[in-house]
Amino acid sequence: DGGITQSPKYLFRKEGQNVTLSCEQNLNHDAMYWYRQDPGQGLRLIYYSQIVNDFQKGDIAEGYSVSREKKESFPLTVTSAQKNPTAFYLCASNPSGRALGGANVLTFGAGSRLTVL
Amino acid sequence: EDQVTQSPEALRLQEGESSSLNCSYTVSGLRGLFWYRQDPGKGPEFLFTLYSAGEEKEKERLKATLTKKESFLHITAPKPEDSATYLCAVQASAGNMLTFGGGTRLMVKP
Repeated sequence: DGGITQSPKYLFRKEGQNVTLSCEQNLNHDAMYWYRQDPGQGLRLIYYSQIVNDFQKGDIAEGYSVSREKKESFPLTVTSAQKNPTAFYLCASNPSGRALGGANVLTFGAGSRLTVL
Repeated sequence: EDQVTQSPEALRLQEGESSSLNCSYTVSGLRGLFWYRQDPGKGPEFLFTLYSAGEEKEKERLKATLTKKESFLHITAPKPEDSATYLCAVQASAGNMLTFGGGTRLMVKP
């Protein structure tokens, strides 16, 4: 079955550590996204990539970094510069980041929950 | 700036008690309005896209409607398995990104 796989599902980080969240998709989608979800708040966009080897900052990119070396993979690194990283992280994709006259329906992964100890 | 506000934040219903969830939005030209369902600890699952005022879409016990300022998700005779958080998002005509509301957490008691 096609879909998005996020790992790990749960992750614990100590102060000052960098951690990387994995996101892999086998949907052959061009565009991939990382969102952060906090209780009672809407999803906030961290980074997105519309094509391999290219990515753009979203609304809350500070303290995060990404890479897009392969179409299938879009890992997110939460750096020590992110002061409040405890949250639920969601990876998403859609066929094309450039809305070709159509609406941008996203497919989401199951999420990764990061907790700072 | 695009904005999406969902109400209520939480809604408790008895099984069979119909109700509606509201999504109010401001956007500079609407390309699409989306409804997603999210179960605890999981990623959102797509339900509907609405494109223009007056449009309606249905799926089982759910019906989504759209006006120029808001969308409603009507739930008819809900069952406990309908318990989830329902997210609304909008996409502006000029952009590719979605703006999400905070969600409505629905709890249906048997």
